[in-house]
Amino acid sequence: QKEVEQDPGPLSVPEGAIVSLNCTYSNSAFQYFMWYRQYSRKGPELLMYTYSSGNKEDGRFTAQVDKSSKYISLFIRDSQPSDSATYLCATPSNSGYALNFGKGTSLLVTP
Amino acid sequence: SAVISQKPSRDICQRGTSLTIQCQVDSQVTMMFWYRQQPGQSLTLIATANQGSEATYESGFVIDKFPISRPNLTFSTLTVSNMSPEDSSIYLCSVVTGQAFFGQGTRLTVV
Repeated sequence: QKEVEQDPGPLSVPEGAIVSLNCTYSNSAFQYFMWYRQYSRKGPELLMYTYSSGNKEDGRFTAQVDKSSKYISLFIRDSQPSDSATYLCATPSNSGYALNFGKGTSLLVTP
Repeated sequence: SAVISQKPSRDICQRGTSLTIQCQVDSQVTMMFWYRQQPGQSLTLIATANQGSEATYESGFVIDKFPISRPNLTFSTLTVSNMSPEDSSIYLCSVVTGQAFFGQGTRLTVV
């Protein structure tokens, strides 16, 4: 079983829609969860991170962790065409500062 | 923060040849990480490169295939040796300074 599982999509939504992106993880000891955004032909950039359970909001983006079900989510409100990218969830690896990534969900927001 | 310059950004190579990818960071860092991002797959850690010691390779990756150099605290190279079409992928270097930062990636196609 992979450490982090993520549906790769693709996901296509109209502009203004609410987007829900989801991952599951296997190790209940994980406390730190991250969402990266990767535009085409670019490296991943940190979008948000959360520690332990609960929600964290940053503008149109909300990251949510449910440790009881080992489920992490990213919600995007009022989605924009500029949000079109691949979104990757990640957790720290057991070996140190490296990260375990999900496959990434490809999102397309159409005008 | 950290700014990472990675080159080449892309290359098309003949099978059986080798390609060396360079990664330059704008600050001194202890560890540098090399990832592979295959189509439809998650970012997978190849190895961790520490200055002054041999790189530490993840399961499934070996030094003969992916030799790494780390001559100083701001620079590293990854060589993909004796390439086959299965090595076609995006290769990314990364550093952690508070959070993980990534280069823009090297898109390698082996023909």
